[in-house]
Amino acid sequence: DAKTTQPNSMESNEEEPVHLPCNHSTISGTDYIHWYRQLPSQGPEYVIHGLTSNVNNRMASLAIAEDRKSSTLILHRATLRDAAVYYCILDRVPYGQNFVFGPGTRLSVLP
Amino acid sequence: EAGVTQFPSHSVIEKGQTVTLRCDPISGHDNLYWYRRVMGKEIKFLLHFVKESKQDESGMPNNRFLAERTGGTYSTLKVQPAELEDSGVYFCASSRGSNTEAFFGQGTRLTVV
Repeated sequence: DAKTTQPNSMESNEEEPVHLPCNHSTISGTDYIHWYRQLPSQGPEYVIHGLTSNVNNRMASLAIAEDRKSSTLILHRATLRDAAVYYCILDRVPYGQNFVFGPGTRLSVLP
Repeated sequence: EAGVTQFPSHSVIEKGQTVTLRCDPISGHDNLYWYRRVMGKEIKFLLHFVKESKQDESGMPNNRFLAERTGGTYSTLKVQPAELEDSGVYFCASSRGSNTEAFFGQGTRLTVV
């Protein structure tokens, strides 16, 4: 299984940017990098994904290292609602989203 | 667009009984996944349907678990007979294909007593 490594927890102040790192040194050429988050008592929620180039959407930005062995999820202005567990996952195309979830990073946002 | 819906939201059953969980994916999503998180552990993949066919069932823990997706629409996951260690939250997800976002349901919390 393609594994990712993330810090167990991080803390941020409200309205400040947050950079959540992820290492995936065993990534293969066809693996997409996905980020999901899970708020308390909810199912995981899609955040963003990418292959090689940096990606932006309304929720976040994804910065992918040139060698693809690491990536960073960027929340530009953290809100209290962003407090969640964030998962960095490799999508092994074409096998589908039989994701391997790790423990993720628990993000706390302080008012 | 309606999201992924799971029924029931909670279920409490006795050891040895049978429970059936249901998942209604987003309309038009051929891919349907089952995951679960048991107490204190990480979310684990159970199986993957493409339409009505099982694409990958490598995560199914044992033969007490049976998943079906008749007609390629909704799916059921039956646990028979349930054991204490089956307690946890069961998630269903659907997607149009790989390299797209997967949409997860709210989960079914199963408690076996």
